[in-house]
Amino acid sequence: EVQLVQSGGEVKKAGESLKISCKCSGYRFGTYWIGWVRQMPGKGLELMGIIFPGDSDTRYSPSFQGQVTISADRSISTAYLQWSSLKASDSAMYYCARRGFSGSKWFDPWGQGTLVTVSS
Amino acid sequence: QSALTQPASVSGSPGQSITISCSGTSSDIGNYNYVSWYQQHPGKAPKLMIYDVTNRPSGVSARFSGSKSGNTASLTISGLQAEDEADYYCSSYTSSNILEVFGTGTKVTVL
Repeated sequence: EVQLVQSGGEVKKAGESLKISCKCSGYRFGTYWIGWVRQMPGKGLELMGIIFPGDSDTRYSPSFQGQVTISADRSISTAYLQWSSLKASDSAMYYCARRGFSGSKWFDPWGQGTLVTVSS
Repeated sequence: QSALTQPASVSGSPGQSITISCSGTSSDIGNYNYVSWYQQHPGKAPKLMIYDVTNRPSGVSARFSGSKSGNTASLTISGLQAEDEADYYCSSYTSSNILEVFGTGTKVTVL
């Protein structure tokens, strides 16, 4: 069974750094794209970017380019999303999700989400 | 890249059929058959319901179907049931940033 298990919720202060994780199991980690999706409180889904762990090819949506860093560690089948300096506006639920087979543009399955709360 | 446009809410009685629209442009829905739909219950992660416009993943009820015409995609739920009450999001590949863009989301209420 394919599973994506995310790290626990975080409470941080503005200006602090943060790295959240997405542990993948049940398939060959290096052969599927992983995406990160933001959902701000009461709002919709926003694709932040994707990474192909096989060669670390990473692509960011324009709104998130330069704001976050997506990475992956093939040795432990884990993808990461990190911030160097959090802002209050980064408070949101963050989901990781696996893209389908090669060339597909949909996500399934999804992680359970990581809630990030940033105080100003 | 702007989000795809969906109605904020759609409602129906049990057993009825409802359709949720998703409006895009020739840079996304109109030019690619990469439309997908996700269901999200409160406090839960999204779940894939339809991919590549019309395909249902294994385990998704046949009551859910997808279609596309021009720059607009649609999700139809037939035989509406109480458990269908949730938020629904469309998504499409877009050539604007070589990634997918999500719709604004639609809250489905079962009366």
